[in-house]
Amino acid sequence: GIQVEQSPPDLILQEGANSTLRCNFSDSVNNLQWFHQNPWGQLINLFYIPSGTKQNGRLSATTVATERYSLLYISSSQTTDSGVYFCAVGNDMRFGAGTRLTVKP
Amino acid sequence: GAGVSQSPRYKVAKRGQDVALRCDPISGHVSLFWYQQALGQGPEFLTYFQNEAQLDKSGLPSDRFFAERPEGSVSTLKIQRTQQEDSAVYLCASSLIGTVDGYTFGSGTRLTVV
Repeated sequence: GIQVEQSPPDLILQEGANSTLRCNFSDSVNNLQWFHQNPWGQLINLFYIPSGTKQNGRLSATTVATERYSLLYISSSQTTDSGVYFCAVGNDMRFGAGTRLTVKP
Repeated sequence: GAGVSQSPRYKVAKRGQDVALRCDPISGHVSLFWYQQALGQGPEFLTYFQNEAQLDKSGLPSDRFFAERPEGSVSTLKIQRTQQEDSAVYLCASSLIGTVDGYTFGSGTRLTVV
């Protein structure tokens, strides 16, 4: 099956800093999604982005399908951005292990 | 409904007991997924339905796990003879086919086997 690798596994930021999270995948896919899992465990859909670039406020994402990676950018981070960020790929949505983000005030 | 609804929110089962977990997808959503998330881990794929058809059950960890979606809407994940390693959060997600909006997750059922 498709292998999904996310990096870094852990990230600690000071409030206001920018960050880039990466998702590599082992095979071509026509589905890719980024999620944020908040401290209460709810998975929130951030972007459905099998290719191209999307932006939503302080968050943006880019997927380069031909090179099998996607990037999630968080600008001007806030404490509420803390949690785990997952990418999921493929029609059956296989998840990576996630990046745990902690934003300190 | 407005979102994906899962029940119960919490379930404590004695080892050996059977449990049934329910997922109510968003109305009209064709695709439905079940995941198992152990503490500190990412969600692990269990099974996938398109309408009432179970198209992929490769992630079910043993024959004690069974999922159904008989009318193509509500789905039930059943675990027979629960064991301690079954303790996890069970997540359900749904989507339209070919959606550009992605998949929506429920809040999950936290199963604890004692």
